Amino acid sequence: GAVVSQHPSWVICKSGTSVKIECRSLDFQATTMFWYRQFPKQSLMLMATSNEGSKATYEQGVEKDKFLINHASLTLSTLTVTSAHPEDSSFYICSAALLEAGWYGGYTFGSGTRLTVV
Amino acid sequence: ELKVEQNPLFLSMQEGKNYTIYCNYSTTSDRLYWYRQDPGKSLESLFVLLSNGAVKQEGRLMASLDTKARLSTLHITAAVHDLSATYFCAVDSFSGGSNYKLTFGKGTLLTVNP
Repeated sequence: GAVVSQHPSWVICKSGTSVKIECRSLDFQATTMFWYRQFPKQSLMLMATSNEGSKATYEQGVEKDKFLINHASLTLSTLTVTSAHPEDSSFYICSAALLEAGWYGGYTFGSGTRLTVV
Repeated sequence: ELKVEQNPLFLSMQEGKNYTIYCNYSTTSDRLYWYRQDPGKSLESLFVLLSNGAVKQEGRLMASLDTKARLSTLHITAAVHDLSATYFCAVDSFSGGSNYKLTFGKGTLLTVNP
């Protein structure tokens, strides 16, 4: 089945630094990738949608200058949290989908990244 | 804006009992997904429901979709401790261009007690 690799699994960084998270589709080409944030005991909230070679579309309330998304190829998307602060500490999850015949066959999720900003 | 409501949000069950989790959504959609999440982990896909009347079963879990009522159910039969997890439903909707996106319910924290 479709596999999405997300790296790193966890990261601790100092306040004010930047952190990059990678999301790779290993055995399929993802036309679209999604980035979610999940706070403890809460649901997943979509942050942005990115298509290969295009600028990401951010959900309302998500700062695009703070959460930089790059989708340079059909198998790789990155999320960079710039100038991280403790309130950015969260579980970040990516997912990937292949658009075929006008819709996605399904969404494949990465294993998530636990970000702690100290 | 699409709203997805799950209930109950918390469910404590005894082993061997049956129960149903409900997922209501506010706008038309033909595609609904159920996921399981264990603590500290990402999502595990359980079911993809693609049309009205769809019913899928895997082990002690059975999911159904009624697109006219905008309702999906996840039925648990003879619960066992290993089913303890958080269950999410998510509804697919058009988001612009050629994109779709998932909107998640708040999740149901299921605890199965001996």
